[in-house]
Amino acid sequence: DAMVIQNPRYQVTQFGKPVTLSCSQTLNHNVMYWYQQKSSQAPKLLFHYYDKDFNNEADTPDNFQSRRPNTSFCFLDIRSPGLGDAAMYLCATSRARTGANVLTFGAGSRLTVL
Amino acid sequence: QQPVQSPQAVILREGEDAVINCSSSKALYSVHWYRQKHGEAPVFLMILLKGGEQKGHEKISASFNEKKQQSSLYLTASQLSYSGTYFCGTETTDSWGKFQFGAGTQVVVTP
Repeated sequence: DAMVIQNPRYQVTQFGKPVTLSCSQTLNHNVMYWYQQKSSQAPKLLFHYYDKDFNNEADTPDNFQSRRPNTSFCFLDIRSPGLGDAAMYLCATSRARTGANVLTFGAGSRLTVL
Repeated sequence: QQPVQSPQAVILREGEDAVINCSSSKALYSVHWYRQKHGEAPVFLMILLKGGEQKGHEKISASFNEKKQQSSLYLTASQLSYSGTYFCGTETTDSWGKFQFGAGTQVVVTP
């Protein structure tokens, strides 16, 4: 089945130790999103790619970077995780960058920072 | 800008109805509704577009008032499986492709 796959599902890291989360999709969707979701809160958009065009939200910390080496893969790099970065990170895709297109989410990567 | 959802939480008995509201301070191009169960990814329910196009899911329906920049999700004859947190995601006419989610409405359906 076509889907969005995130790895790892659970990541434990130490304060300040870099982390990379990955997202792959078999849907051949042009748009990929990264959301941060803290406990009992709404998903917060960090950035999105429309094909290779990178769009950063104004309030996304510099600590967060992203790479999209090809259509299928997207990575979220957290350079120096702090305690406040502990959250679920959701990757989502859509066919195009208009509201008529549904977001398909991966199962998420839960990050714990010790 | 994040849309505003209400209520924050609702408890229903199986078979009862509920309405969840979502409003924006900006003109909307689209409204999406997703349901998230604990520890799982959000799952698509409904999309409403400027101009009235609507796509639905199960026995859940929704309305979109473009003038008031509001959407409502109607849970009719609720089932136990309807429990979860419902998020509206909005796309404004000045920020295509950038979906912002509301804070969510927690729905608990009891037997």
